[in-house]
Amino acid sequence: EVQLVQSGAEAKKPGEPLKISCKGSGYSFNNYWIAWVRQMPGKGLEWMGIIYPGDSDTRYSPSFQGQVSISADKSISTAYLQWSSLQASDTAMYFCARPSVLYSSDPPFDYWGQGTLVTVS
Amino acid sequence: DIQMTQSPSSLSASVGDRVSITCRASRSISTYLHWYQQKPGKAPKLLIYAASILQSGVPSRFSGSGSGTDFTLTISSLQPEDFATYYCQQSYSTPPITFGQGTRLEIK
Repeated sequence: EVQLVQSGAEAKKPGEPLKISCKGSGYSFNNYWIAWVRQMPGKGLEWMGIIYPGDSDTRYSPSFQGQVSISADKSISTAYLQWSSLQASDTAMYFCARPSVLYSSDPPFDYWGQGTLVTVS
Repeated sequence: DIQMTQSPSSLSASVGDRVSITCRASRSISTYLHWYQQKPGKAPKLLIYAASILQSGVPSRFSGSGSGTDFTLTISSLQPEDFATYYCQQSYSTPPITFGQGTRLEIK
């Protein structure tokens, strides 16, 4: 069974760093891209960026370029989303998601993590 | 970037009703259009991909149509579990991947 399991909720202060994770199982983690999607409170879905764990090729939305860092450790089938200095405006639910097609970075996303709630205050 | 606009933003309907949600792209995206359902506090769920193909396990009361710039998600007979927020998403021109702003479907 394909699963994406994300790390737990985080409560942080402005200026603090943070790294959240998304662990894949039940499929060939190295060969499927992993995307990150933000959902601010009461708002819609925003695509942040995507990584190919096989070679760490990474692409960012212009809206998030320079604001976050996406990485992966294929040895433990885990992708990461990282901030060096959080702001209150980073308060949101963050989802990881997997495109349905092997080797493709494009949607649709057929598997999603359960979400990680990040609260910055 | 391709902008995706959904209408209506919210919709009230009753169990058994037939409802349609529209998604319009700022330029032609062929059939690179996908629909998701999201319930409060949960991850989105893929319903339809490539504009009209039903994802495995999704009830047949859901259907999608359209190509180019105009797309429609239709639920033929609303069930209680269908009350949720629905999003369209384009994959014609990436990055960035873009979503519609969502349509909230509420019980009348």
